[in-house]
Amino acid sequence: NAGVTQTPKFQVLKTGQSMTLQCAQDMNHEYMSWYRQDPGMGLRLIHYSVGAGITDQGEVPNGYNVSRSTTEDFPLRLLSAAPSQTSVYFCASVRNNEQFFGPGTRLTVL
Amino acid sequence: AQTVTQSQPEMSVQEAETVTLSCTYDTSESDYYLFWYKQPPSRQMILVIRQEAYKQQNATENRFSVNFQKAAKSFSLKISDSQLGDAAMYFCAYTNSGYALNFGKGTSLLVTP
Repeated sequence: NAGVTQTPKFQVLKTGQSMTLQCAQDMNHEYMSWYRQDPGMGLRLIHYSVGAGITDQGEVPNGYNVSRSTTEDFPLRLLSAAPSQTSVYFCASVRNNEQFFGPGTRLTVL
Repeated sequence: AQTVTQSQPEMSVQEAETVTLSCTYDTSESDYYLFWYKQPPSRQMILVIRQEAYKQQNATENRFSVNFQKAAKSFSLKISDSQLGDAAMYFCAYTNSGYALNFGKGTSLLVTP
């Protein structure tokens, strides 16, 4: 099993550009989550999904969209990137209340 | 909302010694889960240990153990026989939903030879 995979590993955007961070898991987990990590802070929840077709907002959802068309995939979309979205993004899938994290994506918005 | 507080931004320990990292949390729930995650410079989030609130026995994983005090809402991590590879950021986290973890701000652990 590959576990949780994220692409890309690094990305640089200009303000106003859009992009999608990809996340996939092969463990057939129903729950998936997106977090962002800023310097000096722990991870904060952006959006989560409790199953295909079901998503909801977390603590810091503004500027991000998600969808969950399959159990495996949970992409995070930035519609119009802002410098405040410069961060490291982690995707996770959940089994038995334990989160399995992907390797993260470092995003810089200039 | 649940909050998780790690009051030690940085800690230092000598190799082979023991160190304890502190964590407190605030919740009105009775059923929940607590975790310690390790984040080395590679930035990968690695689960160190977990504790179910309904279990009175403190969790242990090899050199890592916790002191879970439910009434005091305290969840400290003890690392015994510290090794150079233990150097990392350590995050305490809480969940009662499964899909949403609340993290503390982390403790940076330095291990000196």
